[in-house]
Amino acid sequence: NAGVTQTPKFQVLKTGQSMTLQCAQDMNHEYMSWYRQDPGMGLRLIHYSVGAGITDQGEVPNGYNVSRSTTEDFPLRLLSAAPSQTSVYFCASRRGRGIYGYTFGSGTRLTVV
Amino acid sequence: SQQGEEDPQALSIQEGENATMNCSYKTSINNLQWYRQNSGRGLVHLILIRSNEREKHSGRLRVTLDTSKKSSSLLITASRAADTASYFCATDDYFGNEKLTFGTGTRLTIIP
Repeated sequence: NAGVTQTPKFQVLKTGQSMTLQCAQDMNHEYMSWYRQDPGMGLRLIHYSVGAGITDQGEVPNGYNVSRSTTEDFPLRLLSAAPSQTSVYFCASRRGRGIYGYTFGSGTRLTVV
Repeated sequence: SQQGEEDPQALSIQEGENATMNCSYKTSINNLQWYRQNSGRGLVHLILIRSNEREKHSGRLRVTLDTSKKSSSLLITASRAADTASYFCATDDYFGNEKLTFGTGTRLTIIP
């Protein structure tokens, strides 16, 4: 199994550009989440989904959109990139709540200039 | 805002010694998890402890949870160079929302 696959691994954007970070999992997990990791701040939740067609906002949702049309895919869209969105982005999934931990992707390092 | 705060922020020990990291959180939880992150990599789930559990073991890992003090500790016994990483605690929202909140992490360095 591939687990959680994120693409691209690295990306440089100009301010104002838009792009989509891809995330796919092959474990049939219900729950998927997007986090950003900034130095000294740990991980902060952007958006999450508890199943196909169901998404909700996390702690820092502004400037990002998500959709969940299938169980496998959970893309994150940056609408108009800003330098403050320079970060490392992680997608994660888990089978359900309770006793399950998250499986993380390897991350996308995004720089906005 | 961060739910969890790890202490210490950084820890260096000799290989073979035990490492203890602490996590404090602010609100009631359903469970608490610990993750490891090697430099430049994604996080790896280590262990989950439920709010009605007080201690849990997994290999060289021992986790305790004190809900009255809103704190948890992670003990790594007989440390190895490969344990060098950052360690994060994370808590589930008590009210059932899928909002896993992470602390800021402890950077552990094992000196060979």
